[in-house]
Amino acid sequence: DAGVTQSPTHLIKTRGQHVTLRCSPISGHKSVSWYQQVLGQGPQFIFQYYEKEERGRGNFPDRFSARQFPNYSSELNVNALLLGDSALYLCASSQDWPGRGALFSTDTQYFGPGTRLTVL
Amino acid sequence: GENVEQHPSTLSVQEGDSAVIKCTYSDSASNYFPWYKQELGKRPQLIIDIRSNVGEKKDQRIAVTLNKTAKHFSLHITETQPEDSAVYFCAARGGKLIFGQGTELSVKP
Repeated sequence: DAGVTQSPTHLIKTRGQHVTLRCSPISGHKSVSWYQQVLGQGPQFIFQYYEKEERGRGNFPDRFSARQFPNYSSELNVNALLLGDSALYLCASSQDWPGRGALFSTDTQYFGPGTRLTVL
Repeated sequence: GENVEQHPSTLSVQEGDSAVIKCTYSDSASNYFPWYKQELGKRPQLIIDIRSNVGEKKDQRIAVTLNKTAKHFSLHITETQPEDSAVYFCAARGGKLIFGQGTELSVKP
């Protein structure tokens, strides 16, 4: 049973460029969330998608965008890259979305290996 | 805004001792509290979680307690082993999952 997969594993870009990161959730999972983890800190929430709709957004600028496809895979796009965007980008999948059932929903999140983005 | 504070930032224990990591959260709507273990260069791995309808949960050497009134939750690891060495993150979810800053646990043989 495959876990969450992400591509690419590493990426080097220069300031001002654009990047697309990809995520495939665990089979049967319909929700994907994206996180940014700067070295030495906890993951910071960027987006959550469920059934191809955005269900939550963190405090990130409009340069960050995402989408979810009919097969539940997802892309994270970052435009006009800044040095401060250098981080590990993590994708997490869950069966469900907490808004549907709150206390008892199947919303445990499982993380992918991440994409290490370096902006020079 | 929503915030999760985690303490201590580093923790060093002898093999066989217990380790305790504490977190507080600000969003009173939070109802789900997972703990993740992250080894160097690897993905965060869920080790235990608790929902707001229970006060304690145990899984072998790991236990988590939740005090909703005080907005505190804690991770307890007993009989620590060198392979427990990693960074541990607590998280709390109201609308979105908010992580603490992490605790680097070092278990010395």
